[in-house]
Amino acid sequence: DVKVTQSSRYLVKRTGEKVFLECVQDMDHENMFWYRQDPGLGLRLIYFSYDVKMKEKGDIPEGYSVSREKKERFSLILESASTNQTSMYLCASSLPGDTPAYEQYFGPGTRLTVT
Amino acid sequence: DQQVKQNSPSLSVQEGRISILNCDYTNSMFDYFLWYKKYPAEGPTFLISISSIKDKNEDGRFTVFLNKSAKHLSLHIVPSQPGDSAVYFCAASESTGFQKLVFGTGTRLLVSP
Repeated sequence: DVKVTQSSRYLVKRTGEKVFLECVQDMDHENMFWYRQDPGLGLRLIYFSYDVKMKEKGDIPEGYSVSREKKERFSLILESASTNQTSMYLCASSLPGDTPAYEQYFGPGTRLTVT
Repeated sequence: DQQVKQNSPSLSVQEGRISILNCDYTNSMFDYFLWYKKYPAEGPTFLISISSIKDKNEDGRFTVFLNKSAKHLSLHIVPSQPGDSAVYFCAASESTGFQKLVFGTGTRLLVSP
């Protein structure tokens, strides 16, 4: 059974703190993604990675960075958390050119609250 | 700029009836489309997809229709069941790109017994 796990389901942090969100997949997928989900805005892509140590900006990368040191692990970093980063964060993975193509497998999400 | 739009934030349907969820897109380069279902406190799960070379794809109770000229796709669920109550996201991608998915804003479906 495919599995994407995220380190925390709920997280509360203070403004200005450095925050690490961890994601691990056990499917040997090359591609990994970080999204945030907000009411009325759907899922928006923050960063993605198509290989170890490779990263690409998504649609809303400002205020975030990522790290991919191992194939199975993709970390999202909030360098200095702000209240507008309060959101549900979702990690996903996929195989390139997989069949069905582009299908992404999601983790359960981390609900982050920044106070 | 919302490239994928789901104009209905919510939809209520009675059990056994048809649910129709709609999605519009603006980018003519999109050639692969997917629907995901999301229950509360869970990540989205893949439901069904369609390539732009087709206009219909069916999987059990779920059928996706694609109208390329109108840049419109719809998801039909027949018959609807209470367990189908969830948020449904449509997503689109370009085959020439990195396989990034662009998601719509979601439609919350409520199927009542």
